[in-house]
Amino acid sequence: DAKTTQPPSMDCAEGRAANLPCNHSTISGNEYVYWYRQIHSQGPQYIIHGLKNNETNEMASLIITEDRKSSTLILPHATLRDTAVYYCIVRDSGTYKYIFGTGTRLKVLA
Amino acid sequence: GAVVSQHPSWVICKSGTSVKIECRSLDFQATTMFWYRQFPKQSLMLMATSNEGSKATYEQGVEKDKFLINHASLTLSTLTVTSAHPEDSSFYICSAIAGRWDEQYFGPGTRLTVT
Repeated sequence: DAKTTQPPSMDCAEGRAANLPCNHSTISGNEYVYWYRQIHSQGPQYIIHGLKNNETNEMASLIITEDRKSSTLILPHATLRDTAVYYCIVRDSGTYKYIFGTGTRLKVLA
Repeated sequence: GAVVSQHPSWVICKSGTSVKIECRSLDFQATTMFWYRQFPKQSLMLMATSNEGSKATYEQGVEKDKFLINHASLTLSTLTVTSAHPEDSSFYICSAIAGRWDEQYFGPGTRLTVT
C-alpha cells in the first residue's frame, strides 16, 4: 500500500503559486520523499526529493515538516504546462521501490 | 538527466499472441529497472523489479509466467506479455535507478492494445 495520501484534485490560477500537500505519517527515519508529475500519456517526470530539510531546485520547492509526517510541493509561478498529476512517493529504503498513491490532479487555469 | 527509452511506443496485437516491450537506459548503466502498468485514470502499479543478471522480483498478484522479464545487460530490460488477452491492454512504463540520489527515471511508456 502507498504510504502517502494526497487530495485528488486542485486548481491554481496561472502565475500564482501552486501548493500541493502530501501526508506520509508512517514514514521511517531514513526514507526519502520524492515528487514526480505525469502529463497525460507520458512517463512520470522527476521534480524534487528530500529527507528532512527543505529543498529547492529550478522546478520547485519542497517543504517537509519537522516531524516529517507531511510535506508540501510548491510551484512558485504555475503555468498552463504545469497541468498534470503530481505524485508524492515515499521510497522504500531497502529496495528503492516506489509505491504510487493516487496523486493530485493539478489544473492550472488561464 | 538520465534518459530512458521504450520501444515500441504503442502496439496492437491479437488475443493469444505474445508481445515484447524493450526498456533501455541510453546514457547510463542500470543494474535495477522497474516495470509498472497503468490503467486509464488510475495510478501506476508496480509489477516487478528487474535486476541485471538475475531473476526478476514480482509484486504480489503479478503472474510471473505471463509477464516475462529479462534484464540481460546493464542497459536493456525486456517485458514480454505472453498469451495476451484484452484485459492486458494497458500503459506499460519502465524506470531505471540513476542519478546522484538513486532516483528513478521513467521511460515514455508503451501503450498495448489487445484485440
